[in-house]
Amino acid sequence: TQLLEQSPQFLSIQEGENLTVYCNSSSVFSSLQWYRQEPGEGPVLLVTVVTGGEVKKLKRLTFQFGDARKDSSLHITAAQPGDTGLYLCAGDQALITGNTGKLIFGQGTTLQVKP
Amino acid sequence: NAGVTQTPKFRVLKTGQSMTLLCAQDMNHEYMYWYRQDPGMGLRLIHYSVGEGTTAKGEVPDGYNVSRLKKQNFLLGLESAAPSQTSVYFCAMKGQGDNEQFFGPGTRLTVL
Repeated sequence: TQLLEQSPQFLSIQEGENLTVYCNSSSVFSSLQWYRQEPGEGPVLLVTVVTGGEVKKLKRLTFQFGDARKDSSLHITAAQPGDTGLYLCAGDQALITGNTGKLIFGQGTTLQVKP
Repeated sequence: NAGVTQTPKFRVLKTGQSMTLLCAQDMNHEYMYWYRQDPGMGLRLIHYSVGEGTTAKGEVPDGYNVSRLKKQNFLLGLESAAPSQTSVYFCAMKGQGDNEQFFGPGTRLTVL
């Protein structure tokens, strides 16, 4: 069974601070996705990383996929109150389950950015 | 939420009652999924379907059944609800060859 360990679970910071969220596994994933979820809504995709060592930037958010495709990180620079939400990493299990599109999710990181 | 609707939005059941959650999509996507979300546990896959008439078990299938008689609809059934099934349920869909899953708005279920 593939597992994704996400840390930290909770993060409360002041506006303007930087933060990093980690997603780790002992398994290799074909790709890894990061989702953001607002209260009362479903998750929405932020980014997909596919290649080992890949770095993608989305404004103040930087996503990195580990060289061995077992881990990933999300770094937010100068966090804003609008960044508040639940961040979820999800690994694509295609290497094990084939073309089913099945994802394994981390536990999630609840981020609160105070003004 | 990219054409995924879920009904109902909220429901309260007594232990032993049954109910069906409906997920409907208008994107003609092949793949559909049912997840449950509990605090501190992320999203866990209950059942999924890779096309009309097909279903398969996910990570936590016990106590649930599903059907995909029409491509647009994916139904999740609870035959005899238990308090452990109190959760928020999300339906998602994905196009063949796509990475992204599109999620519905969720159904909050409480079993007393």
